[in-house]
Amino acid sequence: AQKVTQAQTEISVVEKEDVTLDCVYETRDTTYYLFWYKQPPSGELVFLIRRNSFDEQNEISGRYSWNFQKSTSSFNFTITASQVVDSAVYFCALNDNYGQNFVFGPGTRLSVLP
Amino acid sequence: ETGVTQTPRHLVMGMTNKKSLKCEQHLGHNAMYWYKQSAKKPLELMFVYNFKEQTENNSVPSRFSPECPNSSHLFLHLHTLQPEDSALYLCASSQLQGGNSPLHFGNGTRLTVT
Repeated sequence: AQKVTQAQTEISVVEKEDVTLDCVYETRDTTYYLFWYKQPPSGELVFLIRRNSFDEQNEISGRYSWNFQKSTSSFNFTITASQVVDSAVYFCALNDNYGQNFVFGPGTRLSVLP
Repeated sequence: ETGVTQTPRHLVMGMTNKKSLKCEQHLGHNAMYWYKQSAKKPLELMFVYNFKEQTENNSVPSRFSPECPNSSHLFLHLHTLQPEDSALYLCASSQLQGGNSPLHFGNGTRLTVT
């Protein structure tokens, strides 16, 4: 069975600090896909990034970066120079190769204080 | 209008009422989903429709009844709900082509059962 763990329930940082959100996954599949979503107070889950299991290159998009390590089954998300607008709940998710087995982690609530 | 639209945004209903949640996607996707998000609990997949056919029903009580008249519209009919059904109900869509297709979510309907 697939499983996603986000051990950090809540994190608070002061604006401009860097913060890393942890994600650990479990799957027996060799082909799978990992995702990060952001849920601001408005409620909508916003898709941030997708990674497939064969691509371990780290990715950077502006202040966001992702570190995928198959050896530790982790897909961590770092926000550099955090801003108040980054305050949200962040979800890590895992999907199998067939496409209908999305599993979400419990989420990490990030609060960025001014 | 683009994306995934859900109505109403907020709904308060008594346990004997009958109401419906509506979801419409403007992304040309072939799959639609209902998720339930309760406080302190992970996102729960309720129903999946693939090309208008229901392909997943995760042991959801019969007081929740989905309807998918076409690939762009999805409804969730509610009747004789319980207070524990109060939650954020999220609709999502995706283009099923294996597991790499992300889910695109609406803003959700915040349901309160009194």
